[in-house]
Amino acid sequence: DVKVTQSSRYLVKRTGEKVFLECVQDMDHENMFWYRQDPGLGLRLIYFSYDVKMKEKGDIPEGYSVSREKKERFSLILESASTNQTSMYLCASSLGGGGFVLSSPLHFGNGTRLTVT
Amino acid sequence: KNEVEQSPQNLTAQEGEFITINCSYSVGISALHWLQQHPGGGIVSLFMLSSGKKKHGRLIATINIQEKHSSLHITASHPRDSAVYICAAEDDKIIFGKGTRLHILP
Repeated sequence: DVKVTQSSRYLVKRTGEKVFLECVQDMDHENMFWYRQDPGLGLRLIYFSYDVKMKEKGDIPEGYSVSREKKERFSLILESASTNQTSMYLCASSLGGGGFVLSSPLHFGNGTRLTVT
Repeated sequence: KNEVEQSPQNLTAQEGEFITINCSYSVGISALHWLQQHPGGGIVSLFMLSSGKKKHGRLIATINIQEKHSSLHITASHPRDSAVYICAAEDDKIIFGKGTRLHILP
């Protein structure tokens, strides 16, 4: 079974702090994704990576950056956290298919609920 | 731009009832995903389909490409089916619906 592990379930940070959200998958998947989920808005893509050191902006990349130095790990970085980044953050992975198109189902982590005060 | 609409937004039913959740999308797609999210946040992929019908246990997913419509059915519903069900349409990117919150009463 694919396991996608997010490092924290709950996180509370102060405005202006640099925040790292870590995600690790154990199935050698090429694709990894970071989403945020807000009430009434559904899941929105922040960044996507289809290979090591490769990244593509999603729909809402502003205020975020990502790092993929190893295939199994995809990190989301909030350079200077703001209160409007309070949200549920979900990491996902899938087998490669090129670009945004999936060739296989998405596997999600349990999410990190981030509160910025 | 593809838009994905789900209905109903909320659904409460008695244990044992047959459940249908609908998903419509506006442009042609390569695949349609159904996901389940339990309280606490974790999301599980239920189905990925591009035509016809798929079945897994008490869950059935169908898709009508011409009508740009998919349905998720749950037979003999059970309180443990209570969750948010999300459909996602995939063309050159994945667009998620806002989800249907299902509550099955014992």
